[in-house]
Amino acid sequence: QQQVKQSPQSLIVQKGGISIINCAYENTAFDYFPWYQQFPGKGPALLIAIRPDVSEKKEGRFTISFNKSAKQFSLHIMDSQPGDSATYFCAASIEGNTGKLIFGQGTTLQVKP
Amino acid sequence: DTAVSQTPKYLVTQMGNDKSIKCEQNLGHDTMYWYKQDSKKFLKIMFSYNNKELIINETVPNRFSPKSPDKAHLNLHINSLELGDSAVYFCASSQDRGLAAQETQYFGPGTRLLVL
Repeated sequence: QQQVKQSPQSLIVQKGGISIINCAYENTAFDYFPWYQQFPGKGPALLIAIRPDVSEKKEGRFTISFNKSAKQFSLHIMDSQPGDSATYFCAASIEGNTGKLIFGQGTTLQVKP
Repeated sequence: DTAVSQTPKYLVTQMGNDKSIKCEQNLGHDTMYWYKQDSKKFLKIMFSYNNKELIINETVPNRFSPKSPDKAHLNLHINSLELGDSAVYFCASSQDRGLAAQETQYFGPGTRLLVL
């Protein structure tokens, strides 16, 4: 119940294409869903986050779509660029649970020039 | 002016040894974390401290012991190292304004531990 399942494990997209990464969860108590981006040799960094009171959040080329009834959320990267090549992690947490993030398994994205 | 720093960056050691990893944050945050990232890149929380108080203690072998001398520092000491401890260990920190679960966590660069 504490798991967050992420897919695909790896993704190859042409420059200018749309990258889509999906996550699913079981625990309906989760109420905060961030995405972290990790470049090789670096620590993860927050990319964008959403709360379940909205169905979509957009920041630049990055959009989170959230489907509360299906318990799924996804990250869309529009106009993907080679500089977006990284590992992406979805995560979930529960309000008041002292910052404990449950991470998905990660998706390695390669954007080909 | 690194926000979250860790030392050492690389650590190669023999099985059975004891080693420590240090973490410091200069963001003025109240909460600090240790994560383990395995060879498949899976990230899992190990511990967190809020103002030097242990608040998250996941199912981790008791060979791992965190220590927080002050709220800007969180060290990880590992006794009797095993092959399976080889991983990347990340320190992170976040502000705690009463919405701890929704605060951005800032990660350090990681410590790559290899146990031979």
